[in-house]
Amino acid sequence: QSVLTQPPSVSGAPGQRVTISCAGSSSNIGAGYDVHWYQQLPGTAPKLLIWGNDNRPSGVPDRFSGSKSGTSASLAISGLQAEDEAHYYCQSYDNNLSGPHVVFGGGTNLTVL
Amino acid sequence: QVQLQESGPGLVKPSETLSLTCTVSGDSISSHYWSWIRQPPGKGLEYIGYTYYSGTTNYNPSLKSRVTISEDTSKNQFSLRLNSVTAADTAVYYCARVRLRHSIDFWGQGTLVTVSS
Repeated sequence: QSVLTQPPSVSGAPGQRVTISCAGSSSNIGAGYDVHWYQQLPGTAPKLLIWGNDNRPSGVPDRFSGSKSGTSASLAISGLQAEDEAHYYCQSYDNNLSGPHVVFGGGTNLTVL
Repeated sequence: QVQLQESGPGLVKPSETLSLTCTVSGDSISSHYWSWIRQPPGKGLEYIGYTYYSGTTNYNPSLKSRVTISEDTSKNQFSLRLNSVTAADTAVYYCARVRLRHSIDFWGQGTLVTVSS
């Protein structure tokens, strides 16, 4: 069971806008730690999509955007394209009684209809 | 361009030690944090730990008792050792660079390690 909770799957038609949520708690997102998002295409390593809640690395289309509020965060993808079909993971930092460490969401499978 | 390449045995017997090495090019491991992350077949990502050149390490609490991550600055490599493995440790193991605010900006291609007798 992941520390960060994501919906297992989302879907949308080409051109539509979809959002993927990432729910955390007061020991991670709610404690002020940043949220990062990764895209993983089948058979490949994850790729950094959004860092620091809402920053896009060079080369990532502006169709991808991130936001954070309270104990949760979201990834939005607008103008959905077939090539966006992939798994998406959120990641943050957690500092609980076990000690500080990186944490991931369980991942969301995006299907482009 | 930063590149990372994992290497090591693809098959490990139960109760033995899994050992992997990550060779970094295009950057010095004396800078930044360097991490190991794994992904069991068909499942999500699991953080294992990271190291910083000063010898500082950070581990996933659930794996801490079995994990050691170390660096060899002379070879620009860092390594993972995971003791007492079981079938549950079967996964693709990625090495990666940790950057701004603990984001992970460069990943190796990953290497599948199977635990089986």
